Amino acid sequence: GQQLNQSPQSMFIQEGEDVSMNCTSSSIFNTWLWYKQDPGEGPVLLIALYKAGELTSNGRLTAQFGITRKDSFLNISASIPSDVGIYFCAGPGSGGYQKVTFGTGTKLQVIP
Amino acid sequence: DTEVTQTPKHLVMGMTNKKSLKCEQHMGHRAMYWYKQKAKKPPELMFVYSYEKLSINESVPSRFSPECPNSSLLNLHLHALQPEDSALYLCASSQLVGTGGGGGYTFGSGTRLTVV
Repeated sequence: GQQLNQSPQSMFIQEGEDVSMNCTSSSIFNTWLWYKQDPGEGPVLLIALYKAGELTSNGRLTAQFGITRKDSFLNISASIPSDVGIYFCAGPGSGGYQKVTFGTGTKLQVIP
Repeated sequence: DTEVTQTPKHLVMGMTNKKSLKCEQHMGHRAMYWYKQKAKKPPELMFVYSYEKLSINESVPSRFSPECPNSSLLNLHLHALQPEDSALYLCASSQLVGTGGGGGYTFGSGTRLTVV
């Protein structure tokens, strides 16, 4: 099946630092979704990307749809303690929008 | 109302018990989903309902039985579960879309299930 690999697997950063993470796929995706999951909660959609090369921002978050359509990137600027959580990329592969696959996740910890 | 509500938040059940998880949304979404998430892993799709009909079953064991009584409600009936079924069970909903845009899912907070 389709695999979405995220890196890094986990990261510790100092409050105020910028963060970069990425997601790579073994196959082409037409949509990339980025979610954040807080402990004990369900994932929350942060950004959705629909076109190769697209760059979209949501506050301090910026995500890009890779031009190969096999990768996507998420950047967080000036991190704050509430950025702590697990970030998942996701996308509908060959199964269509009803069959979204989630990446392996990047766990972010922010040191105040 | 932009929420997906799941009950209960926590459930402990024995291997011979029968229990049900409930999920409700009032966003007019016509697709609803059950996902299973083990600790430190991504959510894994179990079932998809489209217009109240089961459209995808990801080879889930029959001890998990989904039900969609109407467009706002989704249940997951549990019977004779095993300890390895302990996990966070997430419900989600979405607009039904064709090509050109996914919109993403709205997830509930999940039910933390422990099978003893």
